[in-house]
Amino acid sequence: GESVGLHLPTLSVQEGDNSIINCAYSNSASDYFIWYKQESGKGPQFIIDIRSNMDKRQGQRVTVLLNKTVKHLSLQIAATQPGDSAVYFCAEGSSIQGAQKLVFGQGTRLTINP
Amino acid sequence: GAGVSQTPSNKVTEKGKYVELRCDPISGHTALYWYRQSLGQGPEFLIYFQGTGAADDSGLPNDRFFAVRPEGSVSTLKIQRTERGDSAVYLCASSLSGWAGSPLHFGNGTRLTVT
Repeated sequence: GESVGLHLPTLSVQEGDNSIINCAYSNSASDYFIWYKQESGKGPQFIIDIRSNMDKRQGQRVTVLLNKTVKHLSLQIAATQPGDSAVYFCAEGSSIQGAQKLVFGQGTRLTINP
Repeated sequence: GAGVSQTPSNKVTEKGKYVELRCDPISGHTALYWYRQSLGQGPEFLIYFQGTGAADDSGLPNDRFFAVRPEGSVSTLKIQRTERGDSAVYLCASSLSGWAGSPLHFGNGTRLTVT
């Protein structure tokens, strides 16, 4: 079936460096993509979203890039801090198939080294 | 402001018992969702409400699972004859409109353990 997946299950970076978390999707009907951050014992926390009519969107210290040609999504975190340590999920939705029925990937665990 | 609230935070029950999980969405959010998250996995869609009606219940695994939202605010997920495989974190989320571009805001979940 169609699914969202992540290239790397774990990522370890030095504090202050930039982090890039990648995600591949396969549903060509997907037109809405979201990144969530999940800390231990908590629910997923919305970070940033992007619609398929955009290639890039920036937030505070985060940037999401969407490459529809290769069905690839990435989350860039600038100047990573200890508080960025968490599991990051990408999720996709389709306006045609019901955008509210988000499909999540397995997640990437980001660890920040001091 | 207040986020999505879920109670209880933890629930331990015996196989075969009935459980109810409650969700209080963000005030003013018309859309409410239930997801289930197994250990080491991403959340999986269960059901979506727009107002009082279940607009999409295609993610419910079988007829032991049922959810209601009688007044368009609080929702209850009900599981009958629980099985050990039902053990997971049940997440509730709400959004302003339920359309793409209206992000889901999740609660901290109810961890259900079936013994």
